[in-house]
Amino acid sequence: IAGITQAPTSQILAAGRRMTLRCTQDMRHNAMYWYRQDLGLGLRLIHYSNTAGTTGKGEVPDGYSVSRANTDDFPLTLASAVPSQTSVYFCASRGDKGFGYTFGSGTRLTVV
Amino acid sequence: DQQVKQNSPSLSVQEGRISILNCDYTNSMFDYFLWYKKYPAEGPTFLISISSIKDKNEDGRFTVFLNKSAKHLSLHIVPSQPGDSAVYFCAASGPQGGSEKLVFGKGTKLTVNP
Repeated sequence: IAGITQAPTSQILAAGRRMTLRCTQDMRHNAMYWYRQDLGLGLRLIHYSNTAGTTGKGEVPDGYSVSRANTDDFPLTLASAVPSQTSVYFCASRGDKGFGYTFGSGTRLTVV
Repeated sequence: DQQVKQNSPSLSVQEGRISILNCDYTNSMFDYFLWYKKYPAEGPTFLISISSIKDKNEDGRFTVFLNKSAKHLSLHIVPSQPGDSAVYFCAASGPQGGSEKLVFGKGTKLTVNP
């Protein structure tokens, strides 16, 4: 099934631990994005990648890092998790034609 | 500074009536606008879009209106159905530092009552 796969679906993480959220797409989209969704704050861009090998910072990049070794995968890493990173994280991608994004189903992360 | 604003966090309407969701933007460089719908525990899904060269786009029960001079767009749902209950995000796209990225509003939670 064409689309975006995110893993894990949910996770409870101890503060200070390292965590990588996985995102894989099979649509050969060049652009990929990581957003976090928080109540009352909507969707905020963390990091993005316009094409494999390049990444950029979004609106709220602090505490997060990304890599884009190939077209399909765009992992998001929390080096040392803090409770304020408790959120729902969405990965998205965009093809070269059109402006719309395809979103994954999200990862619900709770940092305690 | 919020570039895309959805000032109503929630909206409640009766089944069969019209739902009107509003969105304002501040960046005059935005040239494409989209609405996304999000159900709980799911990712946002694309609903409808409009280019800045148009002032209206219709798709079934959904119509988006764009008023460029007012930097305002709205989504009309007629007639509203209980299955339309979801969070609706307005998004805008335009040249931003050499790359195209969507800027999202905070969302409006629509509840359609049977």
